[in-house]
Amino acid sequence: LAKTTQPISMDSYEGQEVNITCSHNNIATNDYITWYQQFPSQGPRFIIQGYKTKVTNEVASLFIPADRKSSTLSLPRVSLSDTAVYYCLVGSSNYQLIWGAGTKLIIKP
Amino acid sequence: DAGITQSPRYKITETGRQVTLMCHQTWSHSYMFWYRQDLGHGLRLIYYSAAADITDKGEVPDGYVVSRSKTENFPLTLESATRSQTSVYFCASSPGRSDTQYFGPGTRLTVL
Repeated sequence: LAKTTQPISMDSYEGQEVNITCSHNNIATNDYITWYQQFPSQGPRFIIQGYKTKVTNEVASLFIPADRKSSTLSLPRVSLSDTAVYYCLVGSSNYQLIWGAGTKLIIKP
Repeated sequence: DAGITQSPRYKITETGRQVTLMCHQTWSHSYMFWYRQDLGHGLRLIYYSAAADITDKGEVPDGYVVSRSKTENFPLTLESATRSQTSVYFCASSPGRSDTQYFGPGTRLTVL
């Protein structure tokens, strides 16, 4: 069963690129990786999802190496409004949902 | 309005009482989920449902009961509330098993 590990917190500055990595050593072939963003007093909100290699959308990129034992969420040119908690989720084919404990990202001016 | 709603948003109850948290979605999504999020921690899956009348346990199901008689509703019942069930409860829905989950605003439950 996959277990996810993320850094507890990270700091960065406005305009910088931020990379948050999630480790998931026991990920299975068909497991997918999803990242969510959560602001205080709100439910998590979908950012991006992928199975392998690289996925990019209008807000982020997701990098997954060939061994799939980790994934990296990349946020380009962050702003103060990107301050939030970011969760990785590994979803397995037997419908196990393994959430990371979350990374608190603080963006400074 | 379309979306996913939860009620009540805040609830205070006493140990031993039965409490039901409501979740309603207007998208006709097949899958619905209940999570709890303790202060400063991540999400833990309580129960999920793949369709009406189909439910299954998640990571922390003890002390909770769910039902899904209609696709759009997925109530969560605490049969005899305990202080350890003080938490924020999130409901979510998704079209399919691997699809994006859409979360409700949460219910903050305090058990005294």
